[in-house]
Amino acid sequence: SQKIEQNSEALNIQEGKTATLTCNYTNYSPAYLQWYRQDPGRGPVFLLLIRENEKEKRKERLKVTFDTTLKQSLFHITASQPADSATYLCAPGDTGRRALTFGSGTRLQVQP
Amino acid sequence: EADIYQTPRYLVIGTGKKITLECSQTMGHDKMYWYQQDPGMELHLIHYSYGVNSTEKGDLSSESTVSRIRTEHFPLTLESARPSHTSQYLCASTGQGGSFGANVLTFGAGSRLTVL
Repeated sequence: SQKIEQNSEALNIQEGKTATLTCNYTNYSPAYLQWYRQDPGRGPVFLLLIRENEKEKRKERLKVTFDTTLKQSLFHITASQPADSATYLCAPGDTGRRALTFGSGTRLQVQP
Repeated sequence: EADIYQTPRYLVIGTGKKITLECSQTMGHDKMYWYQQDPGMELHLIHYSYGVNSTEKGDLSSESTVSRIRTEHFPLTLESARPSHTSQYLCASTGQGGSFGANVLTFGAGSRLTVL
């Protein structure tokens, strides 16, 4: 069955460092992969989308990589800030009618 | 900032009561979804709709029902609430996805339901 794995343990880093979050998937052949941010008690907010033919995508301090051979996406936040503290969810998807399935997310805590 | 609205944000109700969670979006999106999420856990798709008069069950079995009579409105109903229904319910929508067809979701703030 299809499976999305994100590190369930919280990631604690110091302000100013780069945070790297991992998303692994199995039994998927996604056409793209999305990353969302979720704050406690709120709905997820879309951050970035990377297509299967793209190796890397950047948006301000965010960078996403997508390795379809390893079936893995990495999500980087450079120069992290305490305001970046949240849970980050990955969601591989296809262009069909299928609804989006999310990983369980990784909680990031940036210490000042 | 959000163009998708959920009410109520919080609801505490007794067992056996009927409840309806409202979800409305002003973006003209055809596709709408309901996800269920327990604290610290992953989102589970329970219902989705690809247009008016179209509804389907998601990956997680749910005793709730949905309707889609208008494009902008996608309410979720529980006929008889039970403590096992206690959870956060998140509504989301997406448009046509452009030429690429990717489903980028816009989520509401969620409805947190507690059944005593």
